[in-house]
Amino acid sequence: AQKITQTQPGMFVQEKEAVTLDCTYDTSDPSYGLFWYKQPSSGEMIFLIYQGSYDQQNATEGRYSLNFQKARKSANLVISASQLGDSAMYFCAIGVPRYGNQFYFGTGTSLTVIP
Amino acid sequence: KAGVTQTPRYLIKTRGQQVTLSCSPISGHRSVSWYQQTPGQGLQFLFEYFSETQRNKGNFPGRFSGRQFSNSRSEMNVSTLELGDSALYLCASSLGARIDPGANVLTFGAGSRLTVL
Repeated sequence: AQKITQTQPGMFVQEKEAVTLDCTYDTSDPSYGLFWYKQPSSGEMIFLIYQGSYDQQNATEGRYSLNFQKARKSANLVISASQLGDSAMYFCAIGVPRYGNQFYFGTGTSLTVIP
Repeated sequence: KAGVTQTPRYLIKTRGQQVTLSCSPISGHRSVSWYQQTPGQGLQFLFEYFSETQRNKGNFPGRFSGRQFSNSRSEMNVSTLELGDSALYLCASSLGARIDPGANVLTFGAGSRLTVL
């Protein structure tokens, strides 16, 4: 079975500062993908960044980067230069293609950006 | 490019009733997945449909069912509603590739918020 653990229920960051949201995962499958999603209060889940298990380099998408440490089974999200609009819930998820499109999500981290 | 469309956005039902939720995926996406989100249980996978066939199913009772049409649009149905079914139901579409995880990025709709009284 696949499992995602997010140990930070809530985080605060000053505007324009960087913040790291933690995510650890567990799977015995060698092929998997790790995903981060943002969920504002409106409810829609917004895809942020993806890291494949075979990718050698850490993924980056604009202000988002993923600190992938395979041996430690961690996939932390780094948001640089935080903006007020970054305030939202953030979910880490794992998907194993061998089991179809079933994603396993963590419990999420609530990020609040302080002006 | 239109996103994933879910209808209705909000609905209120009473215990024992049934409800049908609809999801129109992104054009070209053949996989549609449904998730239930509650404060207590978080995001839980309900089922996935690919080319009109249920490809995967989560651990939910038989009261939860779904289907997919030839145009990839999907519906989910919950019969004999219980108070615990109150949740945000999220639909997500993707290409549905089983080899490359990166091709399975889920694009979510805005959700259907169901309240059961």
